[in-house]
Order: sequence, then structure tokens, then C-alpha cells
Amino acid sequence: EAGVAQSPRYKIIEKRQSVAFWCNPISGHATLYWYQQILGQGPKLLIQFQNNGVVDDSQLPKDRFSAERLKGVDSTLKIQPAKLEDSAVYLCASSPSRQGNTEAFFGQGTRLTVV
Amino acid sequence: AQSVTQPDIHITVSEGASLELRCNYSYGATPYLFWYVQSPGQGLQLLLKYFSGDTLVQGIKGFEAEFKRSQSSFNLRKPSVHWSDAAEYFCAVGAWQAGTALIFGKGTTLSVSS
Repeated sequence: EAGVAQSPRYKIIEKRQSVAFWCNPISGHATLYWYQQILGQGPKLLIQFQNNGVVDDSQLPKDRFSAERLKGVDSTLKIQPAKLEDSAVYLCASSPSRQGNTEAFFGQGTRLTVV
Repeated sequence: AQSVTQPDIHITVSEGASLELRCNYSYGATPYLFWYVQSPGQGLQLLLKYFSGDTLVQGIKGFEAEFKRSQSSFNLRKPSVHWSDAAEYFCAVGAWQAGTALIFGKGTTLSVSS
């Protein structure tokens, strides 16, 4: 079974530029998450989708971050404009259901460096 | 609100020695608890999980964890550490409500000395 695919693996941009990350979840997984992992910290949820609807985006900085999951499969996360503090690893995860006892499967992440 | 505390930022263990990584959680009801491992440049891999029942949970790679409700803890253990176990370990808590995503601790970095 293929895992969660993310691209690109690495990205370096200047502050105020825009960037987009792509995620393809495990086939059949209805729930998709984007997490931000700053160096030395645990992953922090940015947004959670159930199919193509948003379940939780309370921690998403909506003035600069946006995410979509058209057709309930692939998802993109965009940052515009980027700030230095956005340097982090962006992890996508998927899960077969929204239940709290369901394992989340993680991709390898995209490491973003903002200079 | 749910929260997870991993008191140890960095632990060094000799190869072959036993390991215990601490995790304390805060949650009003019975939590769902997870341990994930992250090797450099990799995503998170699930080691084990606790939902209910037997409080001693076995996982992959020889890891186990014990849920202690009275101490609000879910410590990860391994009787004999291998050099390949060097990685970052994250404890996470999930809620029974549908739609609640995992909340992670800040992680513990494990170094293994020869």
C-alpha cells in the first residue's frame, strides 16, 4: 500500500514570497491533516479535512495560510507571503476516519526554509 | 483542554541498556494515547497505541508502553536499546470526540552511545 506522498521535499524561499505544498493521502482515507513542525517542537495541527470539508482550522494563520482539498483527495497548502518564522517542516497525514482512536499515517514532510 | 508533556528533551542511553521515555497527559476522560518515532528527514511512524483494555501495550521494534491512569502517564520502554533506535520520539493524545486531531508533545531525542 502506498503511503502519504508529499512534494516538494525541500524548499527555500525569500521572505514575502509565496510557496505551495502538495499532499496525496493514502487511497480511501477520508481525513487529511496538515501539521507544522518547528525545529525542536512537536507537530502542531494547522488544518483538518474530512473529505473536502474543513473540520478544524482554528490554528491556521488565515491571513497568510490557505489550504484546499478539492474532490476530497489531494490537498495543497499555500503560504503567501512567507515570514521567517514559517521555517518548519510541514507534515501531511491521513486517516481512514475522524475517530479519535484512529491512527494517522504521516508523509515524509516538506522542509521549508525562509531566508 | 488536552495537553501532552514530555519532560526529557534529550536522553542518552548506552547500546544494550534499557530505556524509558516519559509522557504525561492532561485530559478529562479516558484518552487515546500514541507513541510515534521520527528518524532524521523522515515522517512519523507509529510505534504503539492505547485505546482501552490491557494497560501494557506492545508495539513494533520491541517497544512497549504502560498506561497509568492514576499518574496520567504513558511511558515508553524498551529492555535493550539498539543503535538504530536513535531518533526523536513523540507522545500524542487523541480525544474520543470524532474530528479531534492528535495533540503532540514536544518530543524526546534519543541518542545511543556505543
